Amino acid sequence: QKEVEQNSGPLSVPEGAIASLNCTYSDRVSQSFFWYRQYSGKSPELIMSIYSNGDKEDGRFTAQLNKASQYVSLLIRDSQPSDSATYLCAVNGIQGAQKLVFGQGTRLTINP
Amino acid sequence: AAGVIQSPRHLIKEKRETATLKCYPIPRHDTVYWYQQGPGQDPQFLISFYEKMQSDKGSIPDRFSAQQFSDYHSELNMSSLELGDSALYFCASGLLGVAGNTEAFFGQGTRLTVV
Repeated sequence: QKEVEQNSGPLSVPEGAIASLNCTYSDRVSQSFFWYRQYSGKSPELIMSIYSNGDKEDGRFTAQLNKASQYVSLLIRDSQPSDSATYLCAVNGIQGAQKLVFGQGTRLTINP
Repeated sequence: AAGVIQSPRHLIKEKRETATLKCYPIPRHDTVYWYQQGPGQDPQFLISFYEKMQSDKGSIPDRFSAQQFSDYHSELNMSSLELGDSALYFCASGLLGVAGNTEAFFGQGTRLTVV
């Protein structure tokens, strides 16, 4: 079992709709959780971080964390074609290590 | 705002040669990470440094070594290069908070091609 798992997609969403991305992680004591957006051939760009249970909103993005279920999600409201990218879930603190462990990424396409 | 700077952006080497990748973290950041990303793959953790000391090690081949210098820049040294080393290499930096919650910011990466 991978330490961080995502549905690799591709996920196709019409423009203006809500895109929902999901991620599960294996280590219950993991401390911090991140969502990165990566365009093809470019570097990962941090878009959200979340550390405690519940929701965290930043503009059109909402991150949700449920530590009991070891689950973190990202909602993108009013999806735009420019949101088309691969979204990487990352977890820090797995097995106490100071490193980001990434999921395999979900490829998201927003259709105009 | 200053970002993580990596050099070179592109590098072409022959098999069995040596390569050195450089990373200049965001000023005042105390943590540096190195990642390798193959085509269609997620970034794989290689090694990290906290305050110039190695803190964690991942799937880094013995042919690779890294260090962080007194000015906080870091170098990844890769020897006896193999075709399979061709990948994007990213450096990221972060500031380790009191609770250990580090947001990491990535540089633009070095694309290494081994021929």
